[in-house]
Amino acid sequence: KAGVTQTPRYLIKTRGQQVTLSCSPISGHRSVSWYQQTPGQGLQFLFEYFSETQRNKGNFPGRFSGRQFSNSRSEMNVSTLELGDSALYLCASGSLQTYTDTQYFGPGTRLTVL
Amino acid sequence: GIQVEQSPPDLILQEGANSTLRCNFSDSVNNLQWFHQNPWGQLINLFYIPSGTKQNGRLSATTVATERYSLLYISSSQTTDSGVYFCAVAEGNKLVFGAGTILRVKS
Repeated sequence: KAGVTQTPRYLIKTRGQQVTLSCSPISGHRSVSWYQQTPGQGLQFLFEYFSETQRNKGNFPGRFSGRQFSNSRSEMNVSTLELGDSALYLCASGSLQTYTDTQYFGPGTRLTVL
Repeated sequence: GIQVEQSPPDLILQEGANSTLRCNFSDSVNNLQWFHQNPWGQLINLFYIPSGTKQNGRLSATTVATERYSLLYISSSQTTDSGVYFCAVAEGNKLVFGAGTILRVKS
């Protein structure tokens, strides 16, 4: 079974631009979560989707948004990029609605904002 | 929200030594995972262990849910074990991560 895939793997943008990151979960998994990792803040939760519904959102500004498609693939968008948005963005997939199973992470997208 | 604390923050070992990493959490949990972050940033699953003991080769983990802690044991460490180890617990539909333990294994 293929693992969680994320595209692109690396991205360089300038301040003020917007970016879209993509995550394809493990086949059959309906839960997709997004996390941001920075040296200062560690790993922080962004949002979680299950069957196209956002069930949970972390403490991030409205510039961060996401969605999930009917095939469970998910995208997250960051508008009006700021230098502080430079981070590793990780997505995870899970099979259960209750989040009481193993969460599998993708390789991440490393975003650099100049 | 739930708090997750990992100790020690840094650990330096000689190849072949054993180590124990600890994860304390502030509330009861029904999902606890240990991860190893590789040099490229990917979080590799080590254990899903909300309670009990599991072993996988040189690694084993124990979670004592009633006392709100989990331990990750690494025996006969190798240089390839170097990296950051994270403990994470579920709070609703999200994982809350500890700050991690940076492990350096010297040859």
